[in-house]
Amino acid sequence: DVVMTQSPLSLPVTLGQPASISCRSSQSLVHSDGNTYLNWFHQRPGQSPRRLIYQVSNRDSGVPDRFSGSGSGTDFTLKISRVEAEDVGVYYCMQATHWPALTFGGGTKVEIK
Amino acid sequence: EVQLVESGGGLVQAGESLRLSCAASGFTFSKHWMSWVRQAPGKGLEWVANIKEDGSAKSYVDSVEGRFTISRDNAKTSLYLQMNSLRAEDTAVYYCAAYRNLGCWGRGTLVTVFS
Repeated sequence: DVVMTQSPLSLPVTLGQPASISCRSSQSLVHSDGNTYLNWFHQRPGQSPRRLIYQVSNRDSGVPDRFSGSGSGTDFTLKISRVEAEDVGVYYCMQATHWPALTFGGGTKVEIK
Repeated sequence: EVQLVESGGGLVQAGESLRLSCAASGFTFSKHWMSWVRQAPGKGLEWVANIKEDGSAKSYVDSVEGRFTISRDNAKTSLYLQMNSLRAEDTAVYYCAAYRNLGCWGRGTLVTVFS
């Protein structure tokens, strides 16, 4: 089974400053079709998750361009260029390469200092 | 607008059964994989099960294999999760999610199992 490991577990950030979250997989996430199915989700307190990024670096509709995803193989990163108050919550990475089993990372809680 | 609305959650005793439903609208339901994902209180997200567009293929996380059954009715644009032999550790908010990369989620329905 693929294990997804996120770091850090908690990320206190100052408004307007950048933030970065790491996600590592125990196996390569490069699919046989050449694509890498690594996604990022954001869950605000009391809300359901919302997908931000799909296939490593593609932003979903309506997602601000301060969010960016990068990486390859087994190492991936979500970056927020300038954190805003609405960005608090928990961020999860998820692999869909080893379909049909989906695996989430443990989550990274972003809070304002 | 894509909408997913879960229902059927509640408080049940360990060993009992519950059936969750998810009503979908705003997209061509019959052309997409659908999934159930759960979140125990204060915990992270866990994929539970998914089902192919025509229902011909289903997959489950090991912890629910043999106890839960995912199904769908494309004519009613609805997704279901039949949960049998429920355990305390199944207590969670259950989310319905659409598309292979879980691009859209419902608000969830809470299942509480007491022993």
